Amino acid sequence: QKEVEQDPGPLSVPEGAIVSLNCTYSNSAFQYFMWYRQYSRKGPELLMYTYSSGNKEDGRFTAQVDKSSKYISLFIRDSQPSDSATYLCAMTEGGGYNKLIFGAGTRLAVHP
Amino acid sequence: GAVVSQHPSRVICKSGTSVKIECRSLDFQATTMFWYRQFPKKSLMLMATSNEGSKATYEQGVEKDKFLINHASLTLSTLTVTSAHPEDSSFYICSARVGFHEQFFGPGTRLTVL
Repeated sequence: QKEVEQDPGPLSVPEGAIVSLNCTYSNSAFQYFMWYRQYSRKGPELLMYTYSSGNKEDGRFTAQVDKSSKYISLFIRDSQPSDSATYLCAMTEGGGYNKLIFGAGTRLAVHP
Repeated sequence: GAVVSQHPSRVICKSGTSVKIECRSLDFQATTMFWYRQFPKKSLMLMATSNEGSKATYEQGVEKDKFLINHASLTLSTLTVTSAHPEDSSFYICSARVGFHEQFFGPGTRLTVL
């Protein structure tokens, strides 16, 4: 079993839809959770960074962490064609630096 | 936000030659940088952790003599692929750590070994 599971998709939605992207994990020591967006042939771009359980909102993006279920989500409201990219979840333990563990990435296509 | 650059963005080389990739933090100092490798439609694979002024820490299965990492300053880390072979062709991405856990990534370098 992988430490972080993420459905690779692809996920295709119409413009304006609400998108839900998810990751599950097995390591209960993970404390810090991130979502990255990666366009084709580019480096990942940090979208959201959250600590422990709870919600965090930034514009059209909302990140949720449920540590009891070992489940994290990223919601994109009013999706746009420019949101078409691969979304990678990443997480790490607390207590000083630990390397990031990435999910496989979910490919999202938002069509006009 | 923190900006990380990489150079070159694309490189093609002959088998047996060495290639150096630079990773720079442009507007901040990074004591720790990371080097990843990414295959098409796959996630990032951490190769090594680069700490300024000390030897890099390589992940299991990564040949340290083949992938030489130098982090000589707080804004520059380099990855040298020595005696490159076609199987080394890949997308190499660096990142720099900001704070305890956030990482900001460079735009990547596409290496093609003929």
